[in-house]
Amino acid sequence: GAVVSQHPSRVICKSGTSVKIECRSLDFQATTMFWYRQFPKKSLMLMATSNEGSKATYEQGVEKDKFLINHASLTLSTLTVTSAHPEDSSFYICSAISPPGVKASTDTQYFGPGTRLTVL
Amino acid sequence: KQEVTQIPAALSVPEGENLVLNCSFTDSAIYNLQWFRQDPGKGLTSLLLIQSSQREQTSGRLNASLDKSSGRSTLYIAASQPGDSATYLCAVLLNDMRFGAGTRLTVKP
Repeated sequence: GAVVSQHPSRVICKSGTSVKIECRSLDFQATTMFWYRQFPKKSLMLMATSNEGSKATYEQGVEKDKFLINHASLTLSTLTVTSAHPEDSSFYICSAISPPGVKASTDTQYFGPGTRLTVL
Repeated sequence: KQEVTQIPAALSVPEGENLVLNCSFTDSAIYNLQWFRQDPGKGLTSLLLIQSSQREQTSGRLNASLDKSSGRSTLYIAASQPGDSATYLCAVLLNDMRFGAGTRLTVKP
């Protein structure tokens, strides 16, 4: 069964609004989660690394004030797309690392099903 | 429901050897297939992206093929190096993204 969930799975919003996407690890605690973005017909791009209790680490070229990440607990990270515009329309996916010994003998990365954002 | 399988789960080879990683998927209706590299504790690094209309993609020592009708993709790594040691994931995209469990590759000096 799923070990990482994302909510919502799809969202359509008007330009200028903010959208929050949740990523939850369902049966393990994850000190580290990752947020990715996939543009149409392009490869998955790592946006940021989310660490519980500290600020997220953003990849080069990703606007931290545009994409707000909050890792408030060991099972929840949120990505907020602020003042969304049509060019922010994309498929956003998160992943969480399960420490060694919890679900496997080594640390393992589990992926959420993704959230499709459409900004009108 | 789309299922993605990767074989083998782990592979250990001596440096310099050519190798092939396999990925299979159950539903051929995909937009694209991607191969990723995963290093411990790090996010994914995209290696190759194959659109559903394409048969293969090449980047340096890496070549990925896609046979959509049979639901298979292979990642060929030529002249392997110790720095290639990592976990390699394949993923297919349609309405959502489905990942394989990965192949853990170790290249011994």
